[in-house]
Amino acid sequence: GAGVSQSPRYKVAKRGQDVALRCDPISGHVSLFWYQQALGQGPEFLTYFQNEAQLDKSGLPSDRFFAERPEGSVSTLKIQRTQQEDSAVYLCASSLVGRTLNTGELFFGEGSRLTVL
Amino acid sequence: DQQVKQNSPSLSVQEGRISILNCDYTNSMFDYFLWYKKYPAEGPTFLISISSIKDKNEDGRFTVFLNKSAKHLSLHIVPSQPGDSAVYFCAASANTGNQFYFGTGTSLTVIP
Repeated sequence: GAGVSQSPRYKVAKRGQDVALRCDPISGHVSLFWYQQALGQGPEFLTYFQNEAQLDKSGLPSDRFFAERPEGSVSTLKIQRTQQEDSAVYLCASSLVGRTLNTGELFFGEGSRLTVL
Repeated sequence: DQQVKQNSPSLSVQEGRISILNCDYTNSMFDYFLWYKKYPAEGPTFLISISSIKDKNEDGRFTVFLNKSAKHLSLHIVPSQPGDSAVYFCAASANTGNQFYFGTGTSLTVIP
């Protein structure tokens, strides 16, 4: 399809399990963002890629969170040793433009809902 | 700390009337503002944006107003339609930054 695609849509993990969430951005989009949205909250920034370079990972809540975009297209968000507080919807978004944010919008995927038991 | 705030978690409006959604921000470096609309089980979709060099931007039934001195923006929907029922997120960014900051959302219900 032409939009941002995320998989899996739903993931249930036992506490301590590792999970990997995939994002396929819109073809040709330079910027890719991961956001975490807890229940009843707005999306919160996790990390930002410009092509394959991870330019900002200041929002990653702990070293259990790791993201990569090795070829500047598909990205994977990995969460190691999941905890209950990791339960949230993880949103991926892409943008055509580069670093300057005030010239473009974000295109969001449908999100991956992670539930940690 | 929440740099973008939407203090009304919900709003109900009769079909055909005006819906006004409000958003406040604290960071004076923000220079670009957007509104996103979100239906259940879907990702947010872009609705309308405004740069800090403007105080109004209009797109069909949707108008965003920016009051920089008050650090306040609002989204007006006229006339409101039942299909507008969704959660609306306000977002802001600074040209020097790498992220959009989102508010907590306002759930709009348009009553037929």
